[in-house]
Amino acid sequence: DTAVSQTPKYLVTQMGNDKSIKCEQNLGHDTMYWYKQDSKKFLKIMFSYNNKELIINETVPNRFSPKSPDKAHLNLHINSLELGDSAVYFCASRGLAGAADTQYFGPGTRLTVL
Amino acid sequence: DAKTTQPNSMESNEEEPVHLPCNHSTISGTDYIHWYRQLPSQGPEYVIHGLTSNVNNRMASLAIAEDRKSSTLILHRATLRDAAVYYCILRVLYEKLTFGTGTRLTIIP
Repeated sequence: DTAVSQTPKYLVTQMGNDKSIKCEQNLGHDTMYWYKQDSKKFLKIMFSYNNKELIINETVPNRFSPKSPDKAHLNLHINSLELGDSAVYFCASRGLAGAADTQYFGPGTRLTVL
Repeated sequence: DAKTTQPNSMESNEEEPVHLPCNHSTISGTDYIHWYRQLPSQGPEYVIHGLTSNVNNRMASLAIAEDRKSSTLILHRATLRDAAVYYCILRVLYEKLTFGTGTRLTIIP
């Protein structure tokens, strides 16, 4: 069973379009994240949600809107896509139990904006 | 945020031990030392973390200097599957992860 899953794996779209990436975790974790890895391979946190509430927003443009319908899901909606949004987006989750302070990452969604 | 310094790249022969260094001279008392790795075309993967004492798990060992200003991730017997970018990250427990550039480890068959 996949712990953190993302769909789609690849997404190719035109500038100006709106798209969504979905993330689900079956680990029972309370906290979920979105990270962006650009073409230079820098991996940066974008958002963090804890129990469906936003707790970290790393100065991401408001064209990016995360949505957490429940603890197990954190989706990322992107409006008016730009060329610079092309990157690999990773979802992650983290449990709060004791020493299990580790993050589990999904396989990534490669977004290409043409 | 306290910073870490890692070599950009390292090479090691297959089936030999690998020692990946990390310097963190400005580490604070509440910073844990975390290691993650990212295999090609995959998401990052947790490897190990520690605070003061050396730590072992099924993937690796973490050796922490007595003054905590440096640490070493030890892969006891590298395989081709260990080729990845390894990230050393300082982090207060439960805080966000801030990734640096990491060390790209190449395993030579």
